[in-house]
Amino acid sequence: EIVMTQSPATLSVSPGERATLSCRASQSVSGNLAWYQQKPGQAPRLVIYGASTRATGIPARFSGSGSGTEFTLTISSLQSEDFAVYYCQHYNLWPPFTFGPGTKVDIK
Amino acid sequence: EVQLVQSGAEVKKPGESLKISCKGSGYSFTNHWIGWVRQMPGKGLEWMGIIYPGDSDTRYSPSFQGQVTISADKSISTAYLQWSSLKASDTAMFYCARTQSGYTYDFDYWGQGTLVTVSS
Repeated sequence: EIVMTQSPATLSVSPGERATLSCRASQSVSGNLAWYQQKPGQAPRLVIYGASTRATGIPARFSGSGSGTEFTLTISSLQSEDFAVYYCQHYNLWPPFTFGPGTKVDIK
Repeated sequence: EVQLVQSGAEVKKPGESLKISCKGSGYSFTNHWIGWVRQMPGKGLEWMGIIYPGDSDTRYSPSFQGQVTISADKSISTAYLQWSSLKASDTAMFYCARTQSGYTYDFDYWGQGTLVTVSS
């Protein structure tokens, strides 16, 4: 089973600043990596798939990069609606397609 | 419009059985996998398993294999998650979600969640 780790656990950022979230896989997942955003009391929402492709309706300030075992989600200029928990998930080859533990982005 | 609508919240006692549902609409139900994701109170997302309604091919996480059963009825575009004997530790929110296609496994649409509370 591939283990996903995320850092930091919590990221405190001021509105308008840049946020950089990291995700690491215990073995290569190629480019089969997704990022989800979850706000309190809501279901998760797909943000990035294929490591770098924005999902439908996701603003251009969100970008994803990486391949193999190291991935990054960048939010270029944080807006109030971006404060949430972000999870990465691999979906490479065989299940289980595990999630990382999440990074909480909160207001500094 | 793609929608996944889950059944309502449940309160059960330990040892009871339960089956929750997830009804898809607005797309071809048989051409996308449906997955189930657990979120325990205050915790992260856990991938439980997926089913392909077209042929009922089902894959489980080892953590959930034998603990739950995933099924689907393509005639009514509905997937299910069931327990034969609930434990207090099954208390959680459960989400169903659809994969973007039949050959990628990222989830592009999610249900609203079903809260399951198991308490004596």
